[in-house]
Amino acid sequence: DAKTTQPTSMDCAEGRAANLPCNHSTISGNEYVYWYRQIHSQGPQYIIHGLKNNETNEMASLIITEDRKSSTLILPHATLRDTAVYYCIVLRYNAGGTSYGKLTFGQGTILTVHP
Amino acid sequence: NAGVTQTPKFRVLKTGQSMTLLCAQDMNHEYMYWYRQDPGMGLRLIHYSVGEGTTAKGEVPDGYNVSRLKKQNFLLGLESAAPSQTSVYFCASSHGQGRLIGVNTIYFGEGSWLTVV
Repeated sequence: DAKTTQPTSMDCAEGRAANLPCNHSTISGNEYVYWYRQIHSQGPQYIIHGLKNNETNEMASLIITEDRKSSTLILPHATLRDTAVYYCIVLRYNAGGTSYGKLTFGQGTILTVHP
Repeated sequence: NAGVTQTPKFRVLKTGQSMTLLCAQDMNHEYMYWYRQDPGMGLRLIHYSVGEGTTAKGEVPDGYNVSRLKKQNFLLGLESAAPSQTSVYFCASSHGQGRLIGVNTIYFGEGSWLTVV
């Protein structure tokens, strides 16, 4: 699975958009980009995933560049409760369209939302 | 709406003691996983299971054993605990094989804090 690079930490003002970048320059065609977050002392929480198109759900938006070498997670209106470590993960699915889901967690980005 | 439940939540062991962490999921998921997370680090996969009666090694399997006798349960055992196994342990589950691509979201439990002294 491709490796990812994320900034160590970021700050964001409450109510503003938080844009978290991720570099995955070695991503291959059958690898998806997943985002999880981990609030202090809790288990990781799924946020969003995508292959090549931009995606949006009730939590966030995911923007993937055309060459798929990088992506940005956008929290449109950050709140104090969004303070967490955000993990960008590249996950391969085999030819049969299945995956063991063996997520490989890097260091992630510590997002701090301040009043 | 229990999701993934881990027991116990906290445990202190002496070096050489044994214990079992229990994970239970009520979502009828095929796949289950055990991860460990050391301070300031990301999660690392210990063992996983792709179905009842099956187990496989992950990234850091040494010192641990697992069993999946029932679909809803995944047990992680430490036969002879060592201080290096002091960590937070997370269980997770997902639908796995047979589902549409991208639907294989992984759900995590709240963690089990283990200290080996």
